[in-house]
Amino acid sequence: EDKVVQSPLSLVVHEGDTVTLNCSYEVTNFRSLLWYKQEKKAPTFLFMLTSSGIEKKSGRLSSILDKKELFSILNITATQTGDSAVYLCAADSNYQLIWGAGTKLIIKP
Amino acid sequence: NAGVTQTPKFQVLKTGQSMTLQCAQDMNHEYMSWYRQDPGMGLRLIHYSVGAGITDQGEVPNGYNVSRSTTEDFPLRLLSAAPSQTSVYFCASTKQGMNTEAFFGQGTRLTVV
Repeated sequence: EDKVVQSPLSLVVHEGDTVTLNCSYEVTNFRSLLWYKQEKKAPTFLFMLTSSGIEKKSGRLSSILDKKELFSILNITATQTGDSAVYLCAADSNYQLIWGAGTKLIIKP
Repeated sequence: NAGVTQTPKFQVLKTGQSMTLQCAQDMNHEYMSWYRQDPGMGLRLIHYSVGAGITDQGEVPNGYNVSRSTTEDFPLRLLSAAPSQTSVYFCASTKQGMNTEAFFGQGTRLTVV
């Protein structure tokens, strides 16, 4: 059975801290790993990763994929209160996305 | 830009009632999908479409129907609502397949009593 597991389920840190969110996957015919940020409403796209070891970066956020060990991490440096959200990862398998349950990140001022 | 427009935002149904959730996109995307999101379970795929006239089932299709008569519209029909269908529903579209950036509607919070 295809599955995507995110950890931790929730995380509370102080502004300025660095956080690492984890996403492991076991899916058939894996094609890519995607990260989304969900604030109050709809998820918004962050990254898509297809190759191992190549870091994708956008401002304070970065992500990397390890296709041998079947996981990805999302790093956020110098966190801000606006980073508070649920972070979702999803694995593309057979043209369908298998989603993790998400990590709820709370940034305290 | 409108992007993906999903209506209604909130809905309360009685058990056994039927309704249609509307989804429209103006980006000329081929691929559209419907998800439900329940606490602690992430997003689960209900139905998807790879183009006008083509639909297929996702992970949790029972109790739902879809059609794709045009590229722009992808309505989701609840045939006979059940309390287990209480959830938040999202429509999403991508240019080609789900391994590219998906654009989501703002969601419909559905409660079945």
